[in-house]
Amino acid sequence: EVQLVESGGVVVQLGGSLRLSCAASGFTFDDNTMHWVRQAPGKGLEWVSLISWNGGSTHYADSVMGRFTISRDNSKKSLFLQMNRLRTEDTALYFCVKEGDYGTGGYFDHWGQGTLVTVSS
Amino acid sequence: EFVLTQSPATLSLSPGERATLSCRASQSLNAYLAWYQQRPGQAPRLLIYDASKRATGIPARFSGSGSGTDFTLTISSLEPEDFAVYYCQQRGNWPLFTFGPGTKVDIK
Repeated sequence: EVQLVESGGVVVQLGGSLRLSCAASGFTFDDNTMHWVRQAPGKGLEWVSLISWNGGSTHYADSVMGRFTISRDNSKKSLFLQMNRLRTEDTALYFCVKEGDYGTGGYFDHWGQGTLVTVSS
Repeated sequence: EFVLTQSPATLSLSPGERATLSCRASQSLNAYLAWYQQRPGQAPRLLIYDASKRATGIPARFSGSGSGTDFTLTISSLEPEDFAVYYCQQRGNWPLFTFGPGTKVDIK
């Protein structure tokens, strides 16, 4: 069974930094592109970032470009999101998401339960 | 900027009724569109991908159709557990992914 367990979400001051982690199990982690998707309280879903299977390719939404860095450690089956210069609009539930493979590439076939980041002013 | 628009924002129906949800793209997606269901307090779940293919374990009452810029998710007969928010998502503009704003299906 695929499991994605996020951690690291806390209340942080405006302009501060935070590192989110995601522990993966139940699938071959280094076969898959991984993503972070966030959801502000009471709002819709926003794609944040992706990292390719070997970490060689990363992409970001414009809203986080230059402030967030995605990374992974395949030996530990872990995904990370380093978040710097945090803004109040970064307040959200952050989901670790597995991209599908074979026919479901480009879609999000498994999601963690999320970790809540609150940026306080 | 690539935009997905969903309508209606809210759909009020009774169990057993048919639900028809719409997603419109600002540019052609071919068939590179997915639908997700999110129940309160839960993570989203992939229902449909490539516009019309059901994901693993998804009941047959869920179906998707469309191509280009206009897409539809149909739930043929609503079960109690289907009352939720539904999002469409495009992968046609890789590596930038976009979600629609969602349609809430609530009990009438």
